[in-house]
Amino acid sequence: SAVISQKPSRDICQRGTSLTIQCQVDSQVTMMFWYRQQPGQSLTLIATANQGSEATYESGFVIDKFPISRPNLTFSTLTVSNMSPEDSSIYLCSVDDGGELFFGEGSRLTVL
Amino acid sequence: AQKITQTQPGMFVQEKEAVTLDCTYDTSDPSYGLFWYKQPSSGEMIFLIYQGSYDQQNATEGRYSLNFQKARKSANLVISASQLGDSAMYFCAMREVPFNTPLVFGKGTRLSVIA
Repeated sequence: SAVISQKPSRDICQRGTSLTIQCQVDSQVTMMFWYRQQPGQSLTLIATANQGSEATYESGFVIDKFPISRPNLTFSTLTVSNMSPEDSSIYLCSVDDGGELFFGEGSRLTVL
Repeated sequence: AQKITQTQPGMFVQEKEAVTLDCTYDTSDPSYGLFWYKQPSSGEMIFLIYQGSYDQQNATEGRYSLNFQKARKSANLVISASQLGDSAMYFCAMREVPFNTPLVFGKGTRLSVIA
């Protein structure tokens, strides 16, 4: 099973700044997904990131706000840009490894 | 489009009792997979159990079982012999087959186990 390391695990950020979240997988995976979980809510898909192509964003999420990089089959980053308090959430990366889905431990961001 | 409905925002259960968490789904795809995840307060997503749409038997994993009623489009999670450590958020989710799509999640049910 894939093991996912997500960094940072938590952070407190100032309004207007940007933060990049890293997702490292211990095996090569084709598909990676980024989710947002606002306080008390369910997981909402931000985008699907496949290596070698532009990320595909869900309705309500745009590349300027959530740029994603996927430089290789084991790594991806999600940047939350120009943060506001509404961006305070847990951000989770997920990978598909042979049909099984695995999640990182999440990055809990608080924006002041 | 896929949709997952969890109608119980919160549930209480006495320790050592069994509890059923409800999940209904909607999809036009004949091939799909249903998942249950546990999310403790620490935030990580813990996979519990999986049911494929063509599986004849209900899935079981230790104290977890899935009551799959395909005609009713329901996939309820049954936790037997509840423990205090079972207190957490529980999410029902689905994805279409072939598995190159993300999971779609329900709103979740917060389970509280009482001593």
